[in-house]
Amino acid sequence: EAQVTQNPRYLITVTGKKLTVTCSQNMNHEYMSWYRQDPGLGLRQIYYSMNVEVTDKGDVPEGYKVSRKEKRNFPLILESPSPNQTSLYFCASSLGGPTYEQYFGPGTRLTVT
Amino acid sequence: AQSVTQLDSQVPVFEEAPVELRCNYSSSVSVYLFWYVQYPNQGLQLLLKYLSGSTLVKGINGFEAEFNKSQTSFHLRKPSVHISDTAEYFCAVSYQTGANNLFFGTGTRLTVIP
Repeated sequence: EAQVTQNPRYLITVTGKKLTVTCSQNMNHEYMSWYRQDPGLGLRQIYYSMNVEVTDKGDVPEGYKVSRKEKRNFPLILESPSPNQTSLYFCASSLGGPTYEQYFGPGTRLTVT
Repeated sequence: AQSVTQLDSQVPVFEEAPVELRCNYSSSVSVYLFWYVQYPNQGLQLLLKYLSGSTLVKGINGFEAEFNKSQTSFHLRKPSVHISDTAEYFCAVSYQTGANNLFFGTGTRLTVIP
């Protein structure tokens, strides 16, 4: 089954404790992206990647890191999480760029206390 | 600066009635436009998109949208809604200049009333 998976689905952590949210897709997609969803703000793009070793900033990259060492995986790293990063995070992938249909993962709800 | 505005945060509508969800964008360059739907506790899925050609675009589940360049709008319509259409709807834009960002509006929550 074609899908985007994210882990964990729910995470509660404390300020400053490094964490990684994994994202994996099995569709051989070149483009992958991370978004955060906040009430009243919609989805905002954090980072995207056009291919292995190619990443670029989205709208709200501060406080986040990404890497793309393999085509299927695109982890999101929070080196020192803060409460304002409490949010619902979505990973997405597509064949090539945002003009193609984005396939979204189920989301990761992160709470930073 | 580019932006996407969804004018209505919530739209209640009775079952079998028509609905229009509004989306306006601002951009100094040509755009690609999208509507995505998010059902409760799920990720987003594509409803329809406009890249070029006919300004009336048909999507899944009986939805359609019309690109109006002069009014910089891309409103979503359905002639008769069902209970199962209850969801949040997001308009999104990307730019033809080669940038690979995707910008979303703040969303419109459609509630279909039996």
